[in-house]
Order: sequence, then C-alpha cells, then structure tokens
Amino acid sequence: DAGVTQSPTHLIKTRGQQVTLRCSPKSGHDTVSWYQQALGQGPQFIFQYYEEEERQRGNFPDRFSGHQFPNYSSELNVNALLLGDSALYLCASSLVGQRTKETQYFGPGTRLLVL
Amino acid sequence: AQKITQTQPGMFVQEKEAVTLDCTYDTSDPSYGLFWYKQPSSGEMIFLIYQGSYDQQNATEGRYSLNFQKARKSANLVISASQLGDSAMYFCAMRFNNAGNMLTFGGGTRLMVKP
Repeated sequence: DAGVTQSPTHLIKTRGQQVTLRCSPKSGHDTVSWYQQALGQGPQFIFQYYEEEERQRGNFPDRFSGHQFPNYSSELNVNALLLGDSALYLCASSLVGQRTKETQYFGPGTRLLVL
Repeated sequence: AQKITQTQPGMFVQEKEAVTLDCTYDTSDPSYGLFWYKQPSSGEMIFLIYQGSYDQQNATEGRYSLNFQKARKSANLVISASQLGDSAMYFCAMRFNNAGNMLTFGGGTRLMVKP
C-alpha cells in the first residue's frame, strides 16, 4: 500500500522564479492538503483540494495556487518566489467524510531553497 | 481564534523510561479532533494518535497514549518505554469543527532519548 509521495525532494530556485511541486495521495484517499513548514516552526495550512476544486484556503497570497487531477494527485505552484518562501512543503492526503476524525497522512516533503 | 501551545521546546528522557509531552489549546468550539504527529529529521510527519472531543476514553496506540483533560483543554502525549528511535520533533495538531478541514499545529517539542 503506497503512502503519500512527493517530488522533487529538494529544489533550489532564485527570487522571482516559479516552482511546481507534486504530490500523489495515499491509495484510496481523495483529498489533498498542502502545508508550508518554515525552519523551527509547525506546519501552516496553505490549501486543500477535493473533487478537483480548492475546498479551503489558509492565509497565503495568490502567488500560491494549486490543482488536483482526476486521479487525485495534486500540484502546488508558487509564482514570483521570495526568500521567505524557503521552507519544507508538505503534502497530506485523507479520505473525506469523517469530520473532525478525518486523519491526514503526510508525505516526505519537498525542501525548497530560494536564493 | 483557535490556538495550540506546546510549552516544552526540548526534552530529554532516559531510554526505557516514560515521557509526557504537553499540549494545551484554546477554543470555544465544542467539537474538535486532536492529533499527534512525529517528525524525524527526514521531515515526514508520521501520524501517531487521534482523540475526539466527545470520546469518553483516552486514546491509546501501542506505546502512545493521550492524557485528555477536556475541562483543562489539554491533550498530553505519553510515550512509555522510550526507545532511541523516538528521538524526533513531536507536534500536537487539531481540527476544529468550525474551521473546516485544516489542521492547526503547535510549535512542536524536540524529544531526545538518551542511551
């Protein structure tokens, strides 16, 4: 049973560039969430996708956008990169419908460094 | 606004001893879910244990148990018989019924197990 996978594992970009991160959910899951984790902090919710639509969004600017495909995989796009976007980006998948019990399972993350 | 506080930035525990990691929260929402995750240096968030706000009994999963005190708004994680592999960051997270599907994380506690 494959868990959540993310690619790439590491990425180095320069300010102003654009980046795309990818995520494949755990088998049987239909919902994908993205989190940003700055060094030494807890993860911060970016957004969640379900049925190919953005279901909920955290307090992140429009430079952060995403997409979910019919096979439930997802992409996170960040435009006009800033130094402050350097972080670990975590993808989590879940199966919708269990309200507060819905458990999110995380992938290994993508470490993004913006120079 | 909902907030989660982990007051112990770092803790040491002797191998084979038990350790308690603290988590307190602030919410007026009566319905919520509590989660604990372990994050090794590799970066992946590993789900450990879940407790629902209406659950009558404290959750247990192997060596992990939750000391849930709803009136005090605390959900401490107890790890019994610590192992060297337990050395990692530990995050308390919550899903609030009135906040959609996002997880809100605390700042984390770094646990170091001494041989």
